[in-house]
Order: sequence, then structure tokens, then C-alpha cells
Amino acid sequence: DAMVIQNPRYQVTQFGKPVTLSCSQTLNHNVMYWYQQKSSQAPKLLFHYYDKDFNNEADTPDNFQSRRPNTSFCFLDIRSPGLGDAAMYLCATSRVRDRAQPQHFGDGTRLSIL
Amino acid sequence: AQKVTQAQTEISVVEKEDVTLDCVYETRDTTYYLFWYKQPPSGELVFLIRRNSFDEQNEISGRYSWNFQKSTSSFNFTITASQVVDSAVYFCALSEPANSGYALNFGKGTSLLVTP
Repeated sequence: DAMVIQNPRYQVTQFGKPVTLSCSQTLNHNVMYWYQQKSSQAPKLLFHYYDKDFNNEADTPDNFQSRRPNTSFCFLDIRSPGLGDAAMYLCATSRVRDRAQPQHFGDGTRLSIL
Repeated sequence: AQKVTQAQTEISVVEKEDVTLDCVYETRDTTYYLFWYKQPPSGELVFLIRRNSFDEQNEISGRYSWNFQKSTSSFNFTITASQVVDSAVYFCALSEPANSGYALNFGKGTSLLVTP
């Protein structure tokens, strides 16, 4: 059974049109992460939530925001998508915020920009 | 700064061959954690193994084995008797310290193609 669920699997949006990607988890983990993975590249962390505490990576563009209304759900909002934002977006969770904890990933949402 | 290098961009083998994926890392931390993840064509990242810096015991899980050597800063992954279902991109990763946001610092990945 899927434990980290991302919707939709594929998302197409227009240049400049806001888009929201969704992630939910049934693991009751405290930490949720969003990574961006461009074609043939390694995933790169955008931000993470430790419970309700939001932590932004220094080089994450201001165009990207996130919300975590409760333990189970986390959203990635892209306010004005540009062509360079086309990528796979991966959501991950870990039980606690600890370097030793493996992160559990969802299937990803592949975002295309027209 | 931490760094993970996977020098092999693509590897192609024939089914039943053994294959080793290389991973070399750099860190100034004395305590650190290394991971391997598999990313099949469907896209999800699947956790395979975690190794901490103070445990150099090699590990075997079925056809998978991992060789961790601190002396050479390497954490190599071997698949024995490869199968078509092993075709995927494999990422080696190092977990960042707290002041770096707890990110997984991934290598660029090795794309493995196993042909019948």
C-alpha cells in the first residue's frame, strides 16, 4: 500500500499560471520534504517541514511556497511557473528530523509547462 | 562541504552478469550516514540501504551487497546475477548535517540497463 501519495502523477500548466501539487502520507511521520528533480539530474531539496516548522533552503526560488495544514498533508505551490520549473517534484517523509533516518518518497509529480 | 560522486553515468549489462556501482563521498564530519536509492522508470525513489560511518561491516541482501570502505571514502553497490527488473537509476546519497537542512545530498546517479 502506498504510504506517501502524490497527486497528480502528471500536471500540465501554462507559463505563469499558478499550480499546486499535493502530497499525503499515512506513516504519521513528523517531517515532510519537497525535492525538485530536473531531467537526468539528482533530486534537490527545496524545503522541509518539521511538524509545523517550515524550513526553506537558501537557494529555493521565492516562486515556490509550501503549506502543511496537518500532519498528513503537504502542498507545494508554484506561484508563477516558468519554463525552467518543468521537473519531477518528489515528496518525502521521515519519522523524525535526524540524519540517520531514511526518507520515504512518493511516486512524484511530473510537471510540464506550456 | 559534502560531496557525492558517482562517476559511472550509464552502465549496460546482459542479464545474469554481476555489476558494481561506484560511490565516492567527501565529508568533514566524523559521524555521517550514507544511503542508496533506486529510481525505476516509473519515478519513485525506493530506499535500499543506510550505512553509518562507524559501522564498516559489509551487508548482503539477496542479490544486493554493499562494500563500505572508510579508508577510500567509498560505498559501492554490487548486484549479483542482474535481472531486467534491476534496470533503473541508482543514487548514492549522504545526509547533510543539521545546519544544512537535513537534506539528502545525492550523487548524479548511475543509470543501469539490464538487457535480456
